[in-house]
Formats: sequence, C-alpha cells, structure tokens
Amino acid sequence: DVKVTQSSRYLVKRTGEKVFLECVQDMDHENMFWYRQDPGLGLRLIYFSYDVKMKEKGDIPEGYSVSREKKERFSLILESASTNQTSMYLCASSGGGAEGMQFFGPGTRLTVL
Amino acid sequence: KNQVEQSPQSLIILEGKNCTLQCNYTVSPFSNLRWYKQDTGRGPVSLTIMTFSENTKSNGRYTATLDADTKQSSLHITASQLSDSASYICVVIAWGAGNMLTFGGGTRLMVKP
Repeated sequence: DVKVTQSSRYLVKRTGEKVFLECVQDMDHENMFWYRQDPGLGLRLIYFSYDVKMKEKGDIPEGYSVSREKKERFSLILESASTNQTSMYLCASSGGGAEGMQFFGPGTRLTVL
Repeated sequence: KNQVEQSPQSLIILEGKNCTLQCNYTVSPFSNLRWYKQDTGRGPVSLTIMTFSENTKSNGRYTATLDADTKQSSLHITASQLSDSASYICVVIAWGAGNMLTFGGGTRLMVKP
C-alpha cells in the first residue's frame, strides 16, 4: 500500500511565525503536491513538484514556498504565517503513469492565531 | 476554465436508504474522472476511477456512472451505512496537464440511524 505521511495532524502557530509542514511518501513517486482545503472551496493546489529540486506554482502559491531535496520528501513552508492561512493542508503523491492516481496523506490542520 | 461542480452540497439520509450524488464538469481534454471519499479530519481516499470509455464502475455499495457526452458523472450509494457519512469529492483529470486535477467542492453526506 502507498503510504503518504504528514508530520503533524494538528498545529497551532502565531501570526508571523515560520511554519514547516513535512510530507513523506514511500512509493518512489516522482510527483508530489500540496493542497489546502477550506469549507466551500474544495481542494486548491498550492505547489507541486515533478522531480527532486523541481517545483511549480499551483493555483494559490502566494505566501508559501516549497522544498524538495529528496524524492520522498516534500516540504511546505509558510515564511510568515497569517490568519488567512488557517486551513487543512493535504499532501499527495503520484507515479508517472498516465492515470496519475494521487494518494493523499491524512492532512494537517493548521490554526494561525 | 476547467471546472467541476457537485450537487447537492450536503445531504442527510436515513441508514439503509440509497442516494445519488452528481458531478458536472467542463474539463478538457478529458482523461479520467475519480470519486474520492473523505472522512472528517482525514485525507481523501479513492473510490473509483473511470476513463472515457467506461460508463459504469462499482466498488462494493458504491456505483459510479459517467456520461462523457454530457460531461456528467454520478455516484450512487446503495443501502447506506453510518460509516458512509463523509464528504464525497469528484475529481477530473485532463490530458497533457501533468496529471493536474480539478476538484469539485464535494458533497457532505450524513447518514442518520
């Protein structure tokens, strides 16, 4: 079974703090993704990576950055957390097949006070 | 612009009853469509995946249909159980987009005893 793990299930941070969300997958997938999920808005893509050290902006990259130093690990960074970044953050990974099935992690619920 | 719309936004049914969730999309060129189930506080889990040539696909009590001409899909749940209470998300993938996904807003289903 594919396993995608995220470093924290729940996180509370203060405005202005630097926040790291870590995601690790164990299936040697090339592609990894970070989404945020908010009520009424569904999942929105923040950033994705199709190879080590490669990254692409998604639909809502502002206020975020990412790091992919190793194939299995994809980190989402909030340089200076703000209250409007309070959300559920979901990491996903997929292999290179045409169907591109994405497997999701359990999510990190981040609250910024 | 690629869009996926789901209806209803929320649904409450009694245990044992059937229900049908709808998904309309304007994603092009179409590659495949997936239904995910997301339990509260968890990441989405894939239920079905359907390509252009498939009209119906079942996974236990879940049956998905696809009409590629009208760009509509439905997810039918038979003999609902309390554990079916979750959000159901329709996701459509376009060819040539790096396997990027367009998410519907989800239908929140509650099954009452």
